[in-house]
Amino acid sequence: AQSVTQLDSHVSVSEGTPVLLRCNYSSSYSPSLFWYVQHPNKGLQLLLKYTSAATLVKGINGFEAEFKKSETSFHLTKPSAHMSDAAEYFCVVSGLYSGGGDDGLSFGEGSHLIIQP
Amino acid sequence: KAGVTQTPRYLIKTRGQQVTLSCSPISGHRSVSWYQQTPGQGLQFLFEYFSETQRNKGNFPGRFSGRQFSNSRSEMNVSTLELGDSALYLCASSLTELETQYFGPGTRLLVL
Repeated sequence: AQSVTQLDSHVSVSEGTPVLLRCNYSSSYSPSLFWYVQHPNKGLQLLLKYTSAATLVKGINGFEAEFKKSETSFHLTKPSAHMSDAAEYFCVVSGLYSGGGDDGLSFGEGSHLIIQP
Repeated sequence: KAGVTQTPRYLIKTRGQQVTLSCSPISGHRSVSWYQQTPGQGLQFLFEYFSETQRNKGNFPGRFSGRQFSNSRSEMNVSTLELGDSALYLCASSLTELETQYFGPGTRLLVL
């Protein structure tokens, strides 16, 4: 079985400053990991994914995440926040890719990112 | 290429009724998954279909069911609605079961 813990339920940063959203996972197998973003009243949009290739994954809109197996972490970062980044961010693990046979995607609780002008 | 579409976008029902939600995947995608999103439980996996067969099922009661058609379109049905079924229901499609899932805008269901 796999699970995901997002360590920050709410994060507030000033526009132009770095963003860090933390995610830890547990999985019996080598997981595939994703970050999705959800803007108000919208569906989920894929930001980036890790599937056992490069440990530093670059996504859309300047976001990137680093897979650290020793720390079982997959933190999301962005060097400079923009007002349009304000949204809910979900860290997601999938066991389907790794033969775990688990059910679909497992979502973290979400991190609400607030951007201060 | 058009994204995942879900209909209807909003729905209001009363307890005891049933509801059917529809999802049209991205063209060429054969796998469709359904998720329920609520403030209390977050995002939870309902089930996944591939080539008209249910491949995986989450921990939901039998009132929740689904199916997939030969054109990969999928429907989800909830019978005997309860207040707790009020949620945003998200559909996601992928090329196969092993590919990245792309989400639709969701159907917001309110049960009164």
